Amino acid sequence: DQQVKQNSPSLSVQEGRISILNCDYTNSMFDYFLWYKKYPAEGPTFLISISSIKDKNEDGRFTVFLNKSAKHLSLHIVPSQPGDSAVYFCAASGPQGGSEKLVFGKGTKLTVNP
Amino acid sequence: DVKVTQSSRYLVKRTGEKVFLECVQDMDHENMFWYRQDPGLGLRLIYFSYDVKMKEKGDIPEGYSVSREKKERFSLILESASTNQTSMYLCASRTSGYNEQFFGPGTRLTVL
Repeated sequence: DQQVKQNSPSLSVQEGRISILNCDYTNSMFDYFLWYKKYPAEGPTFLISISSIKDKNEDGRFTVFLNKSAKHLSLHIVPSQPGDSAVYFCAASGPQGGSEKLVFGKGTKLTVNP
Repeated sequence: DVKVTQSSRYLVKRTGEKVFLECVQDMDHENMFWYRQDPGLGLRLIYFSYDVKMKEKGDIPEGYSVSREKKERFSLILESASTNQTSMYLCASRTSGYNEQFFGPGTRLTVL
C-alpha cells in the first residue's frame, strides 16, 4: 500500500506562472514532510520541508502548504523558471525516535516551458 | 558541504556476476541508506544502516545484501546480478534524529 501518493506523474507550466505539485499521505503518524528535486542522472537534492506543527513554510520562490485534516501537502513554485524542470519527490517521516525512514512518493515530472 | 560519493556513475555487468556498489560520506553521519529508482515507481528503500555493523531491511531487500564496516562507508552487494536489477541506485546519509537525507549522484547499473 502506498503511504505517500503523488497522483500527477507530470505537470507542464509556462515560465513565470505558478507550479503547484500535490502530495497525499495516508499515515496519520507522519509528522515531517520534505520535498526533493531530481535532475536526470543526478541524485535528489533537498528543497524544502515542513513540520506537522506548521501549515506553511516558505523559502524564496518555494512554499509548502500542509493540510493535516486532509492529509495533503502541496509545493508552490512562483514564478516558475525553466531551470525548475525536474522530477519532484514528496517524502514523509514518522515521529522522532520512531521511524528512521523516509517514505517517498513516485514523483511528479515538472516541465517549465520558456 | 555534505558530500556523498558513489564509486561509479555508470556500470554494466552480466547476469550472474557479483556486483559491489560503494558509497562514502564525509559528514560523520550515523545513518546510511540504499535506494533504487525506477520510472513510475519512485525511490524504494533497499537497506539502511543505523550505525557501523548495523543493518536493517528496507522495502525491497531481496537479491541484495549490505556491509557497513566503517562509519563513512556503506556497500550494496548484488550476490548474483539479474536483469531486473537494472536500475538507478542511490545512496543517502543523514545525522541520526534529523529527517533530511543527503544523496549521492547515483549509479546507473545495467545488467545484461
